[in-house]
Amino acid sequence: EVQLLESGGGLVQAGGSLRLSCATSGFTFSDYWMSWVRHAPGKGLEWVANIRQDGGDKYYVDSVRGRSTISRDNAKNSLYLHMNSLRDDDTAVYYCARESPLSPRAFDLWGQGTVVIVSS
Amino acid sequence: QSALTQPRSVSGSPGQSVTISCTGTSSDVGSYNYVSWYQHHPGKAPKLMIYDVNKRPSGVPDRVSGSKSGNTASLTISGLQAEDEADYYCCSYAGVFTPFVIFGGGTKLTVL
Repeated sequence: EVQLLESGGGLVQAGGSLRLSCATSGFTFSDYWMSWVRHAPGKGLEWVANIRQDGGDKYYVDSVRGRSTISRDNAKNSLYLHMNSLRDDDTAVYYCARESPLSPRAFDLWGQGTVVIVSS
Repeated sequence: QSALTQPRSVSGSPGQSVTISCTGTSSDVGSYNYVSWYQHHPGKAPKLMIYDVNKRPSGVPDRVSGSKSGNTASLTISGLQAEDEADYYCCSYAGVFTPFVIFGGGTKLTVL
C-alpha cells in the first residue's frame, strides 16, 4: 500500500527541539522530491521545507530557515525534519507530502500528520 | 506572500453543485497555470483533487472540476454527495524562490 506515516510530534517547551519522521512505503521513495507542510490552528496550510531526491538541494520557508533541517534516508525510505528553538507559532499539525512529478510543487500523496504543540 | 483567499464555508444539498473560489495575485495564481486543490477530512491525509488548474488525478471523479480566470481559481463539485463534506484547500505555485507554493485558508464544504 502506498502511504506516508509521520511520527515524532508531541508537547515541547518553547526553545526546545523535536525530530519529526516520515516513514514511506509502496513507492520508490528515491524518485521523488519530498516536502513538509504544516497546518497551524485557525490558519491555512503552509509549506515548510522540501528536499531533492538525492538530498542535494534543500529549501525552507523563511520562518523556519536556520532553525530547522530537512533530511532523508533513501535506504530507509524515510524523511525527517529536525526543528530547534521551537516557538509558539510552530504549533501545528505537520504533514509529510510527496511532490508530484506531473506538476511543479503539487503534492500527490500526504500522510495523516503529527501534532506539535509548543508551550511557553 | 499572503495566503490565497477562500470563502470560509460553502454548502449545498445532495445532487447540487457548489463552487469554491480561490483568489490570489498576479504573482501566483495569475502568473502560473499550476493551481492545485486538496480535500481534507479531519484526522485523515489530505487528498489531491485537481492539479494544473483543471487536471484530475486518477481516481478523482469527473464531477470534480477546476478552472481559472485571472487571479482567481475555482473548484466545482457537481452532484454533491455526503462524502464530499470536507475542508478544501487551494494551492498555487509561486515561483522559483521560497516559498514555492502558497495555500489558501481553506473552505469548509457542508452537504446539507
